[in-house]
Parts: sequence; structure tokens; C-alpha cells
Amino acid sequence: SQKIEQNSEALNIQEGKTATLTCNYTNYSPAYLQWYRQDPGRGPVFLLLIRENEKEKRKERLKVTFDTTLKQSLFHITASQPADSATYLCALLSGGSYIPTFGRGTSLIVHP
Amino acid sequence: EAGVTQFPSHSVIEKGQTVTLRCDPISGHDNLYWYRRVMGKEIKFLLHFVKESKQDESGMPNNRFLAERTGGTYSTLKVQPAELEDSGVYFCASSQDGTDDYYGYTFGSGTRLTVV
Repeated sequence: SQKIEQNSEALNIQEGKTATLTCNYTNYSPAYLQWYRQDPGRGPVFLLLIRENEKEKRKERLKVTFDTTLKQSLFHITASQPADSATYLCALLSGGSYIPTFGRGTSLIVHP
Repeated sequence: EAGVTQFPSHSVIEKGQTVTLRCDPISGHDNLYWYRRVMGKEIKFLLHFVKESKQDESGMPNNRFLAERTGGTYSTLKVQPAELEDSGVYFCASSQDGTDDYYGYTFGSGTRLTVV
């Protein structure tokens, strides 16, 4: 069955460092991969989309990579700030579908 | 622009009771989605409306769940009768045009449902 794996353990880093979160998947050939941010008590907020034929996408301090051979996406936040502390979700979409399949998310804690 | 509004934000009901969740999408958004997150699990799709029509309801768990979107505006999700396993956070999301959905919907803050 399709499976999306995100590290269940929280990632703790120091302010100013680069945070790297991992999303691995199996039994899936996504056409698109999304990353969301979710704060406690709030719904997910869309951050970035990367297509299967793209290797890397950047937006301000965010960078996403997508390796369809390794079946993995990496999400980087450079110069991290305490305000970046949140849960980050990856979601996969098949071609022609607008319904993402979500991972469970990884909690990021940036310490001042 | 107002976001996606959901209410109540929290609901605690007894097993066997009925609960109705409401979602007001962003004005003008034809697409409305319901998702659910059960404790410790991932967010899962329930159903998708385009205006007042159900486009995809493949994620609805069983016939105790009834979703409606009269007039293509707000939507309700009724659980009747509620069971313990229905506890979780129910999210609603909306988007204007399906072709933009790859760029993510706008989610509401969710309704936390606890069935005791």
C-alpha cells in the first residue's frame, strides 16, 4: 500500500542553522509533491509545490528537493528562526488528482 | 478577504448523539473539501464538492456521515450517530478553481470533535 514517511521525532535546532526535514514514500509515483506548515490549533498552510520533473524549488528561505529515484523529498529552511517552529507536512498528488495524500508531519523546534 | 471559517471549534458529545459541523468557504470558491485527522494519524480526505455537487466522496468512512452543500455556499458535515472512533479534527478547505489546486487549498482551523 502507499506509504508516506516523515520523521515522527521532533527536530530541534538552534536559531540561524539550516533545518532539513525528510519525506520518504513507497508504492507511489507522485506527479506533484507539496509541503505545508501547520501551527497548533490551525489548519495546514501551503508552502511549496514541486513537480516530478523538477529537482529543486526555492522560495525565500525555503528549498525543496525531489528525487523520484530515491523516492524522497527534502525540505530545507535556511537561517531558521524561532517563528519557524511548527509541524511541517508533506503531501503527494498523482497526476490528474487534486486530492493530496498527507504524511503525518514532523515537528520543528527552533531554539533562540 | 475572510478565510475558511469552521464552527464550532470544539465539540464534545456522547456516543450515539448527533453532531453537525459547519464550514464557510472563501466567498466565490466553488471547490470545497472535507478532511479529517484522527489522533496520531495523517490528515485524510473525506469528500469534495464542486458548487453543490459531490465530486468525490470516496473518503467518507461510512453512512453515518452525511455532507451537504446547499446552494453551493456553506457546507455541513453531520455525524449520526457518533461513535468513539469518530473523534478527531475535521478540516474544511476551499479553492476557486480546480486547476490551481496543485498550489494548495486554503484550510480552515478545524473542528475538534471528541466523542465520549
